[in-house]
Amino acid sequence: GAVVSQHPSWVICKSGTSVKIECRSLDFQATTMFWYRQFPKQSLMLMATSNEGSKATYEQGVEKDKFLINHASLTLSTLTVTSAHPEDSSFYICSAMGGPEKLTYEQYFGPGTRLTVT
Amino acid sequence: GDSVTQMEGPVTLSEEAFLTINCTYTATGYPSLFWYVQYPGEGLQLLLKATKADDKGSNKGFEATYRKETTSFHLEKGSVQVSDSAVYFCALRAGANNLFFGTGTRLTVIP
Repeated sequence: GAVVSQHPSWVICKSGTSVKIECRSLDFQATTMFWYRQFPKQSLMLMATSNEGSKATYEQGVEKDKFLINHASLTLSTLTVTSAHPEDSSFYICSAMGGPEKLTYEQYFGPGTRLTVT
Repeated sequence: GDSVTQMEGPVTLSEEAFLTINCTYTATGYPSLFWYVQYPGEGLQLLLKATKADDKGSNKGFEATYRKETTSFHLEKGSVQVSDSAVYFCALRAGANNLFFGTGTRLTVIP
């Protein structure tokens, strides 16, 4: 149990366009979802934390107007990269916390989305 | 600030060899420590964890001991298999729910 999916798994877009990435918890309700970014050969860097029905909390240095996060339901969070530029090219990973058991603080990770901006 | 330093890879081992992946951390307070594994095409999965000093986490033949005196949480396995080929991430959580990750170590096990 505790499966998290991401869609799409990879996307190529042109500079200046916007891209939406979906993160879904398939078999549990996620009270909190996290969005990470991973550069080649580097750590996963937390971008933001979102709780269902409230605004996301962004980490220092992450532009909230560029990386729009919506957590409209207990099973879905979306990350929209607005006006994408080549420097936004990266691997984006989401995780969901809630789990199939109560009071669990385990994070379950999606497989990631590779974004390439040309 | 909180951080994790992890042994760089890639690591290539023959089947049944002994594995060690080093991980050290810097944190205020008393963090929980984790090892995650990412198999090809899949998301990160929790491999094992330890929540206090001297705790030993273990799973699937892997072990790691929380060493406060050396601020380390090295991952070990006595006999690796081809199916262990994956990327391994060391991570810590200090308060809140935020996880801080190491850079990951790619392990390839050859038959």
